Amino acid sequence: AQSVTQLGSHVSVSEGALVLLRCNYSSSVPPYLFWYVQYPNQGLQLLLKYTSAATLVKGINGFEAEFKKSETSFHLTKPSAHMSDAAEYFCAGLLQGGSEKLVFGKGTKLTVNP
Amino acid sequence: EAGVAQSPRYKIIEKRQSVAFWCNPISGHATLYWYQQILGQGPKLLIQFQNNGVVDDSQLPKDRFSAERLKGVDSTLKIQPAKLEDSAMYLCASSSYRLEETQYFGPGTRLLVL
Repeated sequence: AQSVTQLGSHVSVSEGALVLLRCNYSSSVPPYLFWYVQYPNQGLQLLLKYTSAATLVKGINGFEAEFKKSETSFHLTKPSAHMSDAAEYFCAGLLQGGSEKLVFGKGTKLTVNP
Repeated sequence: EAGVAQSPRYKIIEKRQSVAFWCNPISGHATLYWYQQILGQGPKLLIQFQNNGVVDDSQLPKDRFSAERLKGVDSTLKIQPAKLEDSAMYLCASSSYRLEETQYFGPGTRLLVL
């Protein structure tokens, strides 16, 4: 079955440290992939998306993600965490060859410690 | 450009009561989605409209949930009668016609069923 898996439901980093949030997908053909951020009691905001152009995608707020077909991964990174990055992050995929609806991972809650 | 609007933001009802949520998508967006997000999980698609036609409602519990999109613009999602397990965030999103286009989310409606 087509799926998106986020490794680690909770990630904690210190302010200024590297942020790495992991996402793997299962799809028979290269998908379209998205990272969204959700602050408490709010909707989802798009951080970045991969649509088969460049494999390194830059998004808002200093985040970027690299599509690696060989590893079926689309991990999200930020070189230096800020307190305002504390939120929940969702990886989602439009997994072509499946039902062609956006499939979300279970989310990773990022905590940033001072 | 105005974003996706949803109302109400919060709703508390007792089980077996009915409730309705409203969504106004971004102007010009042909596709509208309703998602259910249970606490601690990623959003799950309930129903997808293309203009005023239903594209996918395979995960909509049709014995109690209904949705409509009159004139291809606004949409309402109704639950009747509500169950305790319906407590969740209900998110509306919209996108332009193309499948890989970004879905823009509204702020959501937090429903608590007592």
